[in-house]
Amino acid sequence: AQSVAQPEDQVNVAEGNPLTVKCTYSVSGNPYLFWYVQYPNRGLQFLLKYITGDNLVKGSYGFEAEFNKSQTSFHLKKPSALVSDSALYFCAVRDETGGFKTIFGAGTRLFVKA
Amino acid sequence: SAVISQKPSRDICQRGTSLTIQCQVDSQVTMMFWYRQQPGQSLTLIATANQGSEATYESGFVIDKFPISRPNLTFSTLTVSNMSPEDSSIYLCSVIDSPGLAKEQFFGPGTRLTVL
Repeated sequence: AQSVAQPEDQVNVAEGNPLTVKCTYSVSGNPYLFWYVQYPNRGLQFLLKYITGDNLVKGSYGFEAEFNKSQTSFHLKKPSALVSDSALYFCAVRDETGGFKTIFGAGTRLFVKA
Repeated sequence: SAVISQKPSRDICQRGTSLTIQCQVDSQVTMMFWYRQQPGQSLTLIATANQGSEATYESGFVIDKFPISRPNLTFSTLTVSNMSPEDSSIYLCSVIDSPGLAKEQFFGPGTRLTVL
């Protein structure tokens, strides 16, 4: 069975500092991993995905994520946080055994302080 | 990327009534999904809307309570029937625009439902 864990309910970071939002997963087959962001009073937006290839994937708004197969992790990162990055972030996973069913993590709220 | 609109954006309903939520996509899409989200919390998949056939429901969700239609490749409706306050939530329409497990999902803006 597929599962996703986001161990932190909330992450606080100062503007200009690097940020990391953690995600670990469990799947039966090869993982397809995604990050989505939800800004206040807005719908979810796709940020980036890992399918295969380079372990470091780059996405929208300067975000990147590092896939680590041995640790079954897919942490979201950004070198320099902006106040406008404050939002709710969801990690999601899919694999061949689950078809198109996507499992979403509980979400991590990111607060970037000026 | 697909652009998705939902109607209504929000509604306040009385217990025992039903509400139909519409999802319109600006292009033909392979798959459409309906999710429920409590504000600030994760997404729960209600069902996959299949074009031309019955929807596929997740555990805990049944067709009598959440009937779904998908008459074509750009449109779907979700009805929340015989509502109770526990149905108060945000309902999201989501699509995958072309075949492939690697394809990301696009989401509508959501319908915020309050049941009194």
